Amino acid sequence: AQKVTQAQTEISVVEKEDVTLDCVYETRDTTYYLFWYKQPPSGELVFLIRRNSFDEQNEISGRYSWNFQKSTSSFNFTITASQVVDSAVYFCALSLNTGFQKLVFGTGTRLLVSP
Amino acid sequence: ETGVTQTPRHLVMGMTNKKSLKCEQHLGHNAMYWYKQSAKKPLELMFVYNFKEQTENNSVPSRFSPECPNSSHLFLHLHTLQPEDSALYLCASSQGQGAAGELFFGEGSRLTVL
Repeated sequence: AQKVTQAQTEISVVEKEDVTLDCVYETRDTTYYLFWYKQPPSGELVFLIRRNSFDEQNEISGRYSWNFQKSTSSFNFTITASQVVDSAVYFCALSLNTGFQKLVFGTGTRLLVSP
Repeated sequence: ETGVTQTPRHLVMGMTNKKSLKCEQHLGHNAMYWYKQSAKKPLELMFVYNFKEQTENNSVPSRFSPECPNSSHLFLHLHTLQPEDSALYLCASSQGQGAAGELFFGEGSRLTVL
């Protein structure tokens, strides 16, 4: 069975601090996709990134970066120089290559960035 | 119009009421989804529709009845609900159903069952 674990329930930081959100996944499939979504207080989940299982290159997008390591089944997300607008719940998710979009989500990590 | 619109945003109902949640997407996508988000639990996929046809029912109780009249509209009809059904119900859409597809979510309908 597939599973996504986000062990950090809530993280509080002060603005400009760097913060890493952890994500560990479980699957026996060799082809899969990993995602991060952001859920601000308004409620809608916003897509941040997608990674396929054959692409272990780390990615940087502005203040966001992602570290994908198959050896440890982890797909961690780092925000550099955090800002108050980064306050949200962040979800890691896994999708199998079944020709069908069926995301398995983690329980989410709530990030609070204070001024 | 924003991408995925859900109404109502908040709903309070008794266990004997019948109500419906509505979702509309303006993105030209062909696949639509209902997810349930309960406190301290992962988002749960409920239903998937592709080109109006239901392709997934994730063992959802029959008191939840989905309807997809066309690729742009999705409803969730509710009847005889239980208090544990109180949750945020999120609608999403995607272009195609491929596993790599990005989902676009609405802001959700917050349901409280008394």
